[in-house]
Parts: sequence; C-alpha cells; structure tokens
Amino acid sequence: KAGVTQTPRYLIKTRGQQVTLSCSPISGHRSVSWYQQTPGQGLQFLFEYFSETQRNKGNFPGRFSGRQFSNSRSEMNVSTLELGDSALYLCASSLHGSYEQYFGPGTRLTVT
Amino acid sequence: GIQVEQSPPDLILQEGANSTLRCNFSDSVNNLQWFHQNPWGQLINLFYIPSGTKQNGRLSATTVATERYSLLYISSSQTTDSGVYFCAVGAGNMLTFGGGTRLMVKP
Repeated sequence: KAGVTQTPRYLIKTRGQQVTLSCSPISGHRSVSWYQQTPGQGLQFLFEYFSETQRNKGNFPGRFSGRQFSNSRSEMNVSTLELGDSALYLCASSLHGSYEQYFGPGTRLTVT
Repeated sequence: GIQVEQSPPDLILQEGANSTLRCNFSDSVNNLQWFHQNPWGQLINLFYIPSGTKQNGRLSATTVATERYSLLYISSSQTTDSGVYFCAVGAGNMLTFGGGTRLMVKP
C-alpha cells in the first residue's frame, strides 16, 4: 500500500505570494492532519480534516487555510507569505476509528 | 494545552550501547506515538502506545498513562539509529510534539 504523498517536495516563494500544498493520504484513510516544523517552534499542529470538514484547528493566523476533497486528498493554502512561514510542512493520515497517524515526506517551503 | 517534555535533549552513544528516552506529558491523553525523524525530514512511526508496553526488534516502549510518562528503549544501538526521536501526545488526532531527543551513535 502506498504511503502518504505530498507535492511539491520543495518550493521557493517570495514574501507576499500565496502557496498551495497538496497531500494524498494512504488509501482508505479519511482523516488528514497538517503540521508545521520550524527550528524555533518545533512541530506544531495546523489543522485536521475528516470527511471534507475541518475537525480541529491549531493556533495559526487566518492566512493558513485548508480543505479536503471527497477522495480524502487535502490541500493547505498560505496567503500573503511571510519570511517566518519558511518551514517543513508535514501531512499525516489516519484510519477512521484509529488515532495512529502516518506522515508523508513533507514539503519544504522557503520564503525569500 | 498539553505540555510535552522530552529528555535528554541530546544523547551521544557508542555503537552497541543501550539508551532510554523519556517523555513526560501534562494531561490525560488517548493518543501517544513515538517517531524517528530521518535526515530528510520524514517522521517514521516507531510505536503507537497510549498505554502498556510494546516491543519491535531492538526497540521497545512503555507508557504509564496514570503517571503521564512514556519511555523508549533502544538496545544495542547502531549508527543507523542516529537522528531525532519525537514523542507526540494528544486527544484524538491533534498531536502535541515534544522538543525531541537528538541521538548520535558513534561507530
């Protein structure tokens, strides 16, 4: 069974631009969560989606948003990029009824 | 929110040595996982262990939920065990991560 996939793997953007990251969960997994990893703040929860609905949201500004499609694929969007948004963005999926999360390889975003 | 503290923050071992990594958390949880982050950033699942004891080869883990801590044991360490180990806890799928233990195993 294929693991969680994330695209693109690397991205360079300029301050003020917006970016969309994509995550495809493991087949059969319906819950998708997003995390941000930075050297200063560590790994932080962004949001979780299940059945196309946001179920939980972390403490991030409204510039960070996401959505989930009917096939469980998820996207996250960051608008008006700031230098501090440079980070590794990780996506995880889990099976309905299980809390065990499986992570993708991440998207490394650099904002210049 | 839940606080998660991992110790030690850094650990240097000789190949073949054993080690114990600790994770303390501040509240009741129904989700606890241990991960190993590889040099490319991917989090590799080691254990899903909200309570009890599990073993997988040279690695084992124990969580004492009533006392709010978990331990990860690495026996006969190998250079390939090097990297950062994270403990993550939560209620449901919203995980709070500890700061990690950076392990270096020297040949």
